Amino acid sequence: DTAVSQTPKYLVTQMGNDKSIKCEQNLGHDTMYWYKQDSKKFLKIMFSYNNKELIINETVPNRFSPKSPDKAHLNLHINSLELGDSAVYFCASSQDRRREQYFGPGTRLTVT
Amino acid sequence: QKEVEQNSGPLSVPEGAIASLNCTYSDRGSQSFFWYRQYSGKSPELIMSIYSNGDKEDGRFTAQLNKASQYVSLLIRDSQPSDSATYLCAVNVGTGGFKTIFGAGTRLFVKA
Repeated sequence: DTAVSQTPKYLVTQMGNDKSIKCEQNLGHDTMYWYKQDSKKFLKIMFSYNNKELIINETVPNRFSPKSPDKAHLNLHINSLELGDSAVYFCASSQDRRREQYFGPGTRLTVT
Repeated sequence: QKEVEQNSGPLSVPEGAIASLNCTYSDRGSQSFFWYRQYSGKSPELIMSIYSNGDKEDGRFTAQLNKASQYVSLLIRDSQPSDSATYLCAVNVGTGGFKTIFGAGTRLFVKA
């Protein structure tokens, strides 16, 4: 059983399109996260939800909109994709906001 | 000053040696510290979490925390070629300690 899963694994799309990435965790965790890892491999937090409530919203363009329908799911919708959005996006979850995180396999987004 | 700093490496050690990875952080109020390992093309995976000053051992890995010096390290004993990866230091910062900041990572090469 995969603890944190993401779909799709790869996403290739053109500038201006809208796309979504889905994340699910079956660990019973309260907190979920979205991270972006750029070409230099730097991992940066974008959003965090605790019990479906948004608790961290970093300086991210408002083209990015997270949505948590329930504690086990956290989706990321991106509008009007730009070249600079190309990166690997990781979903993660943790038991609570201060504990270790478990990462999904990542979604490699390529915008052409 | 970056919130979490690591030497980017690469750090090269012979098989069987001790690899020492270091990390400093700027938020004096931080209470939660983590080491993750990331293989190329894969997601970060937790090696160890540490919350109290001192050493914490798990198999060949030892994490060391010194809050007064704002320093956390990871020792890998009997290094194996399979330990070759990027090691990410992560620290929870800010009010409540809810936001995780990752260092840029140290690339480790273990030579057979």
